[in-house]
Amino acid sequence: GQQLNQSPQSMFIQEGEDVSMNCTSSSIFNTWLWYKQEPGEGPVLLIALYKAGELTSNGRLTAQFGITRKDSFLNISASIPSDVGIYFCAVRSGGSNYKLTFGKGTLLTVNP
Amino acid sequence: DSGVTQTPKHLITATGQRVTLRCSPRSGDLSVYWYQQSLDQGLQFLIQYYNGEERAKGNILERFSAQQFPDLHSELNLSSLELGDSALYFCASSARDGGSPLHFGNGTRLTVT
Repeated sequence: GQQLNQSPQSMFIQEGEDVSMNCTSSSIFNTWLWYKQEPGEGPVLLIALYKAGELTSNGRLTAQFGITRKDSFLNISASIPSDVGIYFCAVRSGGSNYKLTFGKGTLLTVNP
Repeated sequence: DSGVTQTPKHLITATGQRVTLRCSPRSGDLSVYWYQQSLDQGLQFLIQYYNGEERAKGNILERFSAQQFPDLHSELNLSSLELGDSALYFCASSARDGGSPLHFGNGTRLTVT
């Protein structure tokens, strides 16, 4: 099946640092999404990307849909302790349903 | 709060047993999706229902089944449970059959002993 390679697996950073994570695939996708999951909760949608080359921001978060449609990255600027969590990339399968395939996630720890 | 409600929050049961997980979608959402999250497999799509009908199937075992009722809530039934079925089970809902983002519930943590 479809596989997404998400890296890094984990990151330990100091508060105030910038963070970058990315996701690649061997297949082309038309929708890339980034979710965040905090302990005891379900994934929450952060950013959705629908067009190759698209760069979208949500506060301190910026994500880009790669021009080849096979990759995406997420940047977090000036990290704060509440950024802690697992960040997942996801792609939408084609067709009329909204089935998502998720990457394995990046665990982010922010030291105050 | 995503508006998606899942019960129970935690479930502990023995191998060979059967359990039912329940999901109430966000008000107005017609689509319900079930996902399994485990440490080794990550988030895996199981099955989708739209307005009561099965729409898409993922890596769902034959021992697992689901349905969506007329009031749009959904249940995921897991039978002949094995140790490897221990995982977090998430329900998500969306407004339409496709093209609208998924909103996830907080999951049911299933432990099979």
